[in-house]
Amino acid sequence: KAGVTQTPRYLIKTRGQQVTLSCSPISGHRSVSWYQQTPGQGLQFLFEYFSETQRNKGNFPGRFSGRQFSNSRSEMNVSTLELGDSALYLCASRPPGQGYEQYFGPGTRLTVT
Amino acid sequence: QKEVEQNSGPLSVPEGAIASLNCTYSDRGSQSFFWYRQYSGKSPELIMFIYSNGDKEDGRFTAQLNKASQYVSLLIRDSQPSDSATYLCEGFQKLVFGTGTRLLVSP
Repeated sequence: KAGVTQTPRYLIKTRGQQVTLSCSPISGHRSVSWYQQTPGQGLQFLFEYFSETQRNKGNFPGRFSGRQFSNSRSEMNVSTLELGDSALYLCASRPPGQGYEQYFGPGTRLTVT
Repeated sequence: QKEVEQNSGPLSVPEGAIASLNCTYSDRGSQSFFWYRQYSGKSPELIMFIYSNGDKEDGRFTAQLNKASQYVSLLIRDSQPSDSATYLCEGFQKLVFGTGTRLLVSP
């Protein structure tokens, strides 16, 4: 079974621009979560989607948004980029039913200049 | 106080020794914890989960959960240089991760 995929893998943007990142979960997984990882703050939860609905949200400004499609693929968008948004953005999916473990994608490395 | 806290390390142990990684949490309602391993430049991968008080063993790994004292630990027996990585603790209910502990196993 294919793992979680994320595109693009690397991205360089300029302050003020916006960016859209994509995540395709493992087949059959309906829950998708997004995380921001930086050396100083570690892994921080952005939001979780399940069946196209946002189920949980972390403490990030409204510039960070996301959505999930009917095929469980998810996108996150960051508008008006700031230098501090430079980070590794990780997407993870969870299996349905009793399993709560997460399977992470390879991440998208975003650099804001 | 962060909801899940870990010592950032690095924790240095010689090959063959037992590595002990700890995580404390503030939410008494947390029921489930997961340990992930993250190699440099890679994404986290699940290695252990624990739902109930006590110990859970899987190969060289043992997870321990103490709800009364609000800590969860991961023991790695017979540590190998390939175990050198950052270990992240997650409290499931809050979807919160600790900042991770870097483990260095020297040959």
